[in-house]
Amino acid sequence: DAGVIQSPRHEVTEMGQEVTLRCKPISGHDYLFWYRQTMMRGLELLIYFNNNVPIDDSGMPEDRFSAKMPNASFSTLKIQPSEPRDSAVYFCASSPLRDRLNTEAFFGQGTRLTVV
Amino acid sequence: QKEVEQNSGPLSVPEGAIASLNCTYSDRVSQSFFWYRQYSGKSPELIMSIYSNGDKEDGRFTAQLNKASQYVSLLIRDSQPSDSATYLCASRSYNTDKLIFGTGTRLQVFP
Repeated sequence: DAGVIQSPRHEVTEMGQEVTLRCKPISGHDYLFWYRQTMMRGLELLIYFNNNVPIDDSGMPEDRFSAKMPNASFSTLKIQPSEPRDSAVYFCASSPLRDRLNTEAFFGQGTRLTVV
Repeated sequence: QKEVEQNSGPLSVPEGAIASLNCTYSDRVSQSFFWYRQYSGKSPELIMSIYSNGDKEDGRFTAQLNKASQYVSLLIRDSQPSDSATYLCASRSYNTDKLIFGTGTRLQVFP
């Protein structure tokens, strides 16, 4: 398996534009996590899915953020409209269910978003 | 109070020394704990996981868990300059399967 695949790797956009980040989890993994990483706040959990169903979106900062997982092999994180304070690295991670212990998450390479 | 707390560092140790990284957590329902290493500009990668009280060793790395004190640590023996990175502690809840990270501790190993 190629691992978790995120696209694009880098995105530069103007304030007010819509941004869509994409993620393909590892095949067979039950969980998908979206994180945002900044120097000030570290790695923050935005939302996570179990079997394509959103379980907890309490980390989504505002209504401008939305996430979907239409099938087991694809998820999107959308920001509309984007603002400069959304600039960060966004990571997608997936994990299997297994025995629910020691089930680590595997990370994609991240998308570096810059909103100017 | 953040769910997982770490000292941001930097923690500076000489080559060959033992580096000790610490983490505390607030959610008593947390069952599994993970240490990830993140090099600058890269994504986090797993070093070790632990879910039982006590020590778990893997090569130069030892993870320690004390559930009564809600404390997790990572020891790196014979530290190498290549160990210089940010180390992220994470907890996973058995009830919700939510995976929460601390802000990370930056480790610098100097020759």
